[in-house]
Amino acid sequence: DARVTQTPRHKVTEMGQEVTMRCQPILGHNTVFWYRQTMMQGLELLAYFRNRAPLDDSGMPKDRFSAEMPDATLATLKIQPSEPRDSAVYFCASGLPPVGSGANVLTFGAGSRLTVL
Amino acid sequence: GDSVTQMEGPVTLSEEAFLTINCTYTATGYPSLFWYVQYPGEGLQLLLKATKADDKGSNKGFEATYRKETTSFHLEKGSVQVSDSAVYFCAPYSGGYQKVTFGTGTKLQVIP
Repeated sequence: DARVTQTPRHKVTEMGQEVTMRCQPILGHNTVFWYRQTMMQGLELLAYFRNRAPLDDSGMPKDRFSAEMPDATLATLKIQPSEPRDSAVYFCASGLPPVGSGANVLTFGAGSRLTVL
Repeated sequence: GDSVTQMEGPVTLSEEAFLTINCTYTATGYPSLFWYVQYPGEGLQLLLKATKADDKGSNKGFEATYRKETTSFHLEKGSVQVSDSAVYFCAPYSGGYQKVTFGTGTKLQVIP
């Protein structure tokens, strides 16, 4: 089965450090989403891309977060500097537009669990 | 934009009990409706979907019927198993470049 691959699966870091999470979408999928999941907030959409261009990153704290797609096979989410409140599971998902329609559903990666001490 | 309200969890049931997880939505258009499931340590995966009113989505013994008049898409299963323990997310999608909006999720715990 085709799958979305995320690395690292787990990351523990200290406050102030830079964190980079990576996502390899399914080959051929041109829409990529970044979600953050916490107990308190549930599943929040941070940003999404189509054909490597950001369509919406309004859910992302701009001062410390950045999301890019250097090429069609890699999406990155960077936090600099990291803070304890950033501790969460970060999910990447990909799909073909119109993503979420009856024919084209989102496929999620297994997530990157980030702990900031 | 789209939004969804799910029943609060956690829901704890004994094996073979009947399950209902309520979901109501608001949407700008005529959305497709989805249930996703998240097993421990994994990402979300599609459980079932319905794309128009009165459609019934079904998978793995789970069912949900698209009720346009009540804007609801309640998830049901006649006899739950321990392996159904997971978090369930309801999601409407209104088309085009709209975002897929997830509810807060409902955690289901099935005990033997």
